[in-house]
Amino acid sequence: GNSVTQMEGPVTLSEEAFLTINCTYTATGYPSLFWYVQYPGEGLQLLLKATKADDKGSNKGFEATYRKETTSFHLEKGSVQVSDSAVYFCALSDRPRTGNQFYFGTGTSLTVIP
Amino acid sequence: GAGVSQSPSNKVTEKGKDVELRCDPISGHTALYWYRQSLGQGLEFLIYFQGNSAPDKSGLPSDRFSAERTGGSVSTLTIQRTQQEDSAVYLCASSRQSGPLSYEQYFGPGTRLTVT
Repeated sequence: GNSVTQMEGPVTLSEEAFLTINCTYTATGYPSLFWYVQYPGEGLQLLLKATKADDKGSNKGFEATYRKETTSFHLEKGSVQVSDSAVYFCALSDRPRTGNQFYFGTGTSLTVIP
Repeated sequence: GAGVSQSPSNKVTEKGKDVELRCDPISGHTALYWYRQSLGQGLEFLIYFQGNSAPDKSGLPSDRFSAERTGGSVSTLTIQRTQQEDSAVYLCASSRQSGPLSYEQYFGPGTRLTVT
């Protein structure tokens, strides 16, 4: 079946530190992969996506590369800011094999301190 | 509206009561999803609507949960005889369309349900 596993949190970093949040997936087909972010008090919003192997999604200084060989989609940022404090969710969609269901990880809470 | 809206934003109910949660998707979005986010848990898929097709109800946890979507737009999630374990944030999302490519989901702010 399809599933997403992401690293346990919470993660606390100092401003300007390097961030990695690990995400691995299991899928029966050729999924699209996503990172969503949930800022405090707000709804989830798409951060970046990649629809095929070796694609790199990027946005707001965050990057993630779709690695089919390691079934991974790790989120990275070279220098985090306090404003990056949020919960990050890795997700996959294996359309059309499973219809339109999205599979989300449990979320990783990031706190960036000045 | 500009985004997905949900109402109420917060709902406190007594165990055994029925509740209705509402979702207004983005205009023109044909796909609508309901998820549940429990404390410390990820997003749990509940149900999916696409146009006039039969909904995918595979994620509904019990027959106390049901949902409908009227006129291909507004959706209502109903929980009957609420239990304390139903306490969670219920999220609605919509997307433009389905098909061979994955399309971005736009999430509402959620309804926080507390069953006492």
